Amino acid sequence: KQEVTQIPAALSVPEGENLVLNCSFTDSAIYNLQWFRQDPGKGLTSLLLIQSSQREQTSGRLNASLDKSSGRSTLYIAASQPGDSATYLCAVIRMDSSYKLIFGSGTRLLVRP
Amino acid sequence: GAVVSQHPSWVICKSGTSVKIECRSLDFQATTMFWYRQFPKQSLMLMATSNEGSKATYEQGVEKDKFLINHASLTLSTLTVTSAHPEDSSFYICSAPTAGSSTDTQYFGPGTRLTVL
Repeated sequence: KQEVTQIPAALSVPEGENLVLNCSFTDSAIYNLQWFRQDPGKGLTSLLLIQSSQREQTSGRLNASLDKSSGRSTLYIAASQPGDSATYLCAVIRMDSSYKLIFGSGTRLLVRP
Repeated sequence: GAVVSQHPSWVICKSGTSVKIECRSLDFQATTMFWYRQFPKQSLMLMATSNEGSKATYEQGVEKDKFLINHASLTLSTLTVTSAHPEDSSFYICSAPTAGSSTDTQYFGPGTRLTVL
């Protein structure tokens, strides 16, 4: 059974800091991994999608890496801003017939001005 | 990017009533949609996979007679919570992949907050 874990559960940093969010998964047989952002009471916004054959993806100040063999992904946020405050979720799609997204529990990020 | 809408965005109902939530893909067709439930400060839990033209498939532990799913067209899936009870109060979110492949990027609706009194 695929399990996705995110560490830390919560993080508070001053504005301007670079930070790393961690995601680990127990079964390396995945199609891809996605990072999402969720603001309180809102739906999810897709940030980055990494295919299983890729090692990283970048979008602006965000960089996500994937090490499938070790079951790990990291989301790097450069020069954090108060507007980055949100919950960040990672999710994997299992490489079986279901193609279902399995979510981690999320990291709640607070960037202090 | 692709847009998925949900209606209503929030609903309050009395215990025992039924509530219908709509999920629409606004600028693409979706043969598959997914329904999730999220309790406060918890992650999303997949409830069921909605398939256009066929029956939905439910995750283990989800009552299919309580959570009725109808994928009426290539742009609309509905989730009906029948005989709602306070423990059904939650945030319900749908998603859809854009390219017809479930391994494609999934776009999520804004969610529907259900409160059952």
